[in-house]
Amino acid sequence: DSGVTQTPKHLITATGQRVTLRCSPRSGDLSVYWYQQSLDQGLQFLIQYYNGEERAKGNILERFSAQQFPDLHSELNLSSLELGDSALYFCASSVSGSYNEQFFGPGTRLTVL
Amino acid sequence: QQQVKQSPQSLIVQKGGIPIINCAYENTAFDYFPWYQQFPGKGPALLIAIRPDVSEKKEGRFTISFNKSAKQFSLHIMDSQPGDSATYFCAASIHSGSARQLTFGSGTQLTVLP
Repeated sequence: DSGVTQTPKHLITATGQRVTLRCSPRSGDLSVYWYQQSLDQGLQFLIQYYNGEERAKGNILERFSAQQFPDLHSELNLSSLELGDSALYFCASSVSGSYNEQFFGPGTRLTVL
Repeated sequence: QQQVKQSPQSLIVQKGGIPIINCAYENTAFDYFPWYQQFPGKGPALLIAIRPDVSEKKEGRFTISFNKSAKQFSLHIMDSQPGDSATYFCAASIHSGSARQLTFGSGTQLTVLP
């Protein structure tokens, strides 16, 4: 158990809908990262937050947004969902924004029908 | 330039064999190279990592070999066990301002037969 928690574990929704994925980092970790894992794209970095501020952006679509709250938990919002958004979404955390080791949560499996 | 190329896509070995997974990168600014292990239904977990100033790092049965001039690194699993069956991802990390990003390889599905 990495200490990173993610909810929900599974999410099934329809095209065009909006969902929110939640992540709680390990105790003491200030940085949160979001990744998307799909069969054809592998593990793709989406976005990083450090102590409430956005630090880096990767391959994140404009339909997706994230934030990190004062209690350090983070939410990833996915809107206008498409079939291709079906994937595993992982959250990871690290001590600082520049620290090497990232600890991954168990993931949220999103299925868009 | 941000890509990390990983091979093979899948690998089957007998128990006790030494599977080798290879990765290559282009961006010389990468300064940290971790390997992650992922079991079905779980998130990736850090297995072992190396910095480019070291040519080899060993932790238990897992060894990373690093060739800076060739921009390649590989994972060797000694005396592999059925419990090692998992997907392995290499990654490369770059420090950009106050952020650090991981770029992952495409993954290798390892099966160790009993």
